[in-house]
Parts: sequence; C-alpha cells; structure tokens
Amino acid sequence: DGGITQSPKYLFRKEGQNVTLSCEQNLNHDAMYWYRQDPGQGLRLIYYSQIVNDFQKGDIAEGYSVSREKKESFPLTVTSAQKNPTAFYLCASSLRQGNTEAFFGQGTRLTVV
Amino acid sequence: GNSVTQMEGPVTLSEEAFLTINCTYTATGYPSLFWYVQYPGEGLQLLLKATKADDKGSNKGFEATYRKETTSFHLEKGSVQVSDSAVYFCALSDRTGANNLFFGTGTRLTVIP
Repeated sequence: DGGITQSPKYLFRKEGQNVTLSCEQNLNHDAMYWYRQDPGQGLRLIYYSQIVNDFQKGDIAEGYSVSREKKESFPLTVTSAQKNPTAFYLCASSLRQGNTEAFFGQGTRLTVV
Repeated sequence: GNSVTQMEGPVTLSEEAFLTINCTYTATGYPSLFWYVQYPGEGLQLLLKATKADDKGSNKGFEATYRKETTSFHLEKGSVQVSDSAVYFCALSDRTGANNLFFGTGTRLTVIP
C-alpha cells in the first residue's frame, strides 16, 4: 500500500543530544514537509523540499536540519541548539505539480528527558 | 501572500447538533481548498477537498463549498456524532509560490452525548 511512514512513534532525548526522525514515502511525491505541533496548537512549518537535493527553511527552522538525498526520504534532525524540542512532529508529502492534497504520516512524539 | 484564517475553538456540541466551522482564505493564484481532520495522537487525514470555485466537497456527512466571491470554505455537518470529536484544519494549496501548502490554526470539536 502506498503511504508515508514516520518512525519512531515515540522518541526520548536527553538534553544536549541530537536525534533524527525518519520520514519515508512510496507515493512518488516530489514535495515533502516537516511540521511541528505543540499541545493545542496548529501546525508550524520547519522545512520543506520540492525536489531531491534541495530544501528550504520554513517558519521555525532554527535548531533543526534536514537532508533530501533520495526522493522517498526526508529525515529531520533535532539538534541540541533547539531549546524546546518537546513536541509532536508531522511529516507530509504531496505532488509538486497541481494543487493536490498532502498526505501525512502518523507523527513522532519527541520528549526531552 | 497566501494564508488561511479559521474559526477559533474549542467548539462543544451535543450529539445530533448542526456544525459550522468557518474558514476564509487569501491566495495570490487559484488554489485548491481542503479540510483535514486529526484524531488524538495521530496525523492529519484528508476529509474533503474542492479544486475550483463553486465546487462542493463532501465526505462522511461533512460538506464545504468553495466560495470565490467571499473567499470562504466553511465546513458543515447536519448532525454530529461523538465520533466526530477531533481537530479540524482548513488548508489551501497554491502552486504559484515556492511553498504551496498553508494551514489554518485548527478548531477542536468536542461532541457530547
């Protein structure tokens, strides 16, 4: 079945550590996105990528990094520079051409301990 | 620029009540419009969409009509159920810019028996 998969579902990080969240899609979508969602809040865009080997900062990119070496993969690294990383992280993908909908993963809940 | 403004919640309704969640948008091009639903601890799922003016999207008893003259895409349901309790996001996709997905802040709906 085609879809978008995030892993792990839950992740715990010690202060000062970098962690990487995985996002994989087999929908053959060009565009991929990372969002952060805090409790009771909406979505805030961290990074997005319209094509392989290219990505752009979103509204809250500080303390995060991404790579897009393959079309199907868009991992997000939460670095130690991110001062308040505890949140729910959502990955999405969409076709680059045409005004089509985005498909979302199930999310990763990151907690700093 | 592009943006989505959504009715703030939370909204609490009794079962079988009528639901309206307001959504208005600003777009530079000709966007497609979407409603997504998010159940607790999960990612977003597409609920319905409309791709051009006067289109009506519908799914699971929910409806929304793309109104270009009022730049609106209000979500309605004639009789809500407890299982409709979730967070609802209005969104637009506009391929004229580099970043082409824009979300509202979300509206939490709670339906009580």
